[in-house]
Amino acid sequence: SYELTQPSSVSVSPGQTARITCSGDVLAKKYARWFQQKPGQVPVMVIYKDSERPSGIPERFSGSSSGTTVTLTISGAQVEDEADYYCYSAADNDWMFGGGTKLTVL
Amino acid sequence: QVQLIQSGAEVKKPGSSVKVSCKSSGGAFSSYAISWIRQAPGQGLEWMGRVIPILDESVYAQKFQGKITISADRSTATAYLELTSLRSEDTALFYCASGESLDSWGQGTLVTVSS
Repeated sequence: SYELTQPSSVSVSPGQTARITCSGDVLAKKYARWFQQKPGQVPVMVIYKDSERPSGIPERFSGSSSGTTVTLTISGAQVEDEADYYCYSAADNDWMFGGGTKLTVL
Repeated sequence: QVQLIQSGAEVKKPGSSVKVSCKSSGGAFSSYAISWIRQAPGQGLEWMGRVIPILDESVYAQKFQGKITISADRSTATAYLELTSLRSEDTALFYCASGESLDSWGQGTLVTVSS
């Protein structure tokens, strides 16, 4: 079965650019999505189809893909962006999340 | 826009079973997948499996095979997650979500397993 690998934590200062990677063989053939989860809240999709941003998501969130790695970039990270971020992909009957990355903005 | 409403929190004894529901509105229930996602306390999201009501087909992540049953009732637009032989380690928050993209999520159902 496939796996998606993320760093466990990323830390940036407010206004800096945060980059969170997600790696896995499935990403070479299937799109990735990114979910943001703040404490006590339901996850929210911030990127779909590797780089598309849903309506209502700030422009500072962007996504990119290269081979078997996708990257979520938060340009000019804000304190309110502090959250857990999960990549997700669906391959045939094997749908999966990455382990999650805790983003600290301070 | 699909809306998913889940059943309320449950407290169960070890060895028992629980069945959590997820009622859909605002979309063509039969045509899209409903997935179930587990989040253990302080842990990440785990995709458990999904059902496609129109196909009456369920698929499970290998980790959960034999532990869960996912089903759907098209007449009530409701999906279900049943967990059996509960142990304290099964204590978690369970979410349902719609479509392959997990576009819409339920509010989550906390299942606590305690003697």
